[in-house]
Amino acid sequence: QVQLQESGPGLVKPSETLSLTCIVSGASISSHYWTWIRQPPGKGLEYIGYIYDSERTNYSPSLRSRVTISMNMSKNHFSLILSSVTAADTAVYYCVRTLDASYKYAMDVWGRGTTVTVSS
Amino acid sequence: SSELTQDPAVSVALGQTVRITCQGDSLRSYYASWYQQKPGQAPALVMYGHNNRPSGIPDRFSGSNSGNTASLSITGAQTEDEADYYCYSRDRSGDHFVFGSGTKVTVL
Repeated sequence: QVQLQESGPGLVKPSETLSLTCIVSGASISSHYWTWIRQPPGKGLEYIGYIYDSERTNYSPSLRSRVTISMNMSKNHFSLILSSVTAADTAVYYCVRTLDASYKYAMDVWGRGTTVTVSS
Repeated sequence: SSELTQDPAVSVALGQTVRITCQGDSLRSYYASWYQQKPGQAPALVMYGHNNRPSGIPDRFSGSNSGNTASLSITGAQTEDEADYYCYSRDRSGDHFVFGSGTKVTVL
């Protein structure tokens, strides 16, 4: 059974850097795509980006200048870094396994999500 | 505004059929996937590609595509189907992904 678990600080100060890790169990991150999604309070879902094949990435154009997604194969986890955060980055952050093109990049396994608040 | 447009809310009587639509230019070229989100929970995949249901999703859920519109139908809606539903597909450029604005389904 594939499980994903987000971890990281729940509170980040404005202008600082948000850093989250997604620990994957039951599957190797060397396969599939691995995606970050977020959801501001009371709002809809927002695509942040994904990583696959160790270092191939795709980022939302609206966040690309501030986002880095990376993988650690030895620890079987992947990470999100979002720099220069503001209150608008306050959200629940989800890590998600994403299937490949033959499955139309459907996101089939989701973490429970972690709440990140940006506040001084 | 989102590149994928959904009605904000729809309601359906218990046991009846409801169709949730998602409109966008990119849907002429790419399939959408659909996610169900209940309060306080992570989203869950309910449909992808051309009418493909993940294991465990009831067959009352079905998908279709026509032109710039992707649709998710629930035939014989149940109380447990009450949730927010989001479509997801490529953006206009085809290089990135976007979510629809979401549709809140209420089962009366």
